[in-house]
Amino acid sequence: DTGVSQDPRHKITKRGQNVTFRCDPISEHNRLYWYRQTLGQGPEFLTYFQNEAQLEKSRLLSDRFSAERPKGSFSTLEIQRTEQGDSAMYLCASSSRDPNEKLFFGSGTQLSVL
Amino acid sequence: DAKTTQPNSMESNEEEPVHLPCNHSTISGTDYIHWYRQLPSQGPEYVIHGLTSNVNNRMASLAIAEDRKSSTLILHRATLRDAAVYYCILRDVDFGNEKLTFGTGTRLTIIP
Repeated sequence: DTGVSQDPRHKITKRGQNVTFRCDPISEHNRLYWYRQTLGQGPEFLTYFQNEAQLEKSRLLSDRFSAERPKGSFSTLEIQRTEQGDSAMYLCASSSRDPNEKLFFGSGTQLSVL
Repeated sequence: DAKTTQPNSMESNEEEPVHLPCNHSTISGTDYIHWYRQLPSQGPEYVIHGLTSNVNNRMASLAIAEDRKSSTLILHRATLRDAAVYYCILRDVDFGNEKLTFGTGTRLTIIP
C-alpha cells in the first residue's frame, strides 16, 4: 500500500493559464474523490468517481473545471483559464467499494494563481 | 448532509486525555458519525467512526450519546503529534451519498 499520490505538490501559474493535476489512488480502490481546501476552511467536495464513471459533481465545479478517470485508475483534474480565486489546495482521496469505508487522502497539490 | 457543530479551537497539555465534543442534533437514523483529522501540510486522515455504540481503536475512542445528538472523540494521552484540526462528519450511506462533507473542525493545540 503506497497510499494516494498526487502530482505536482506545488503549482504556480499565471492567471488565464490552464493547469492539470494528477491523482493516483490506492490500487484496489474503485472510488476516487476530489476536494478543494482554502486556508482556514475544511475541504470542499468537488467531484467523485466510481471506477471510470463520474457520479457526482458539486456546484463548485464550474465549466472551467473538468475531471477524468479514463481507465478507472488514475484521475486528472484540469482547470482552464485559471483565476486568482482558484488558488487553493486540491486534495484527492480514494476508498474501496464498501460505502462506509474510510477515505484515504493524498497530500494535495497547492495551486497558486498569480 | 446533516450538520455538525464543533468548537473552533481547544488546548490540552501533553500526556493528558483530550475530549473533543461534537453536536449533531439533526442526525438521522442512518447517519454514521465519522472523525478525521488533518495534520499541518497533509491531507485529512481517518480516525474513527460509529453508529450507536461507543467505539475504540488504536488512535482514539468515540463516545456517542444515547440520543445520538452529540458525540465525543477521546484521545487518551495526547502527544505533540496529535496537534491537528479534527473534523466531526455525518455520513449517510443509505442513499448512495458516499462523499464526506467537512465543516471547519476543531483546531487542537497540544501544550508541552
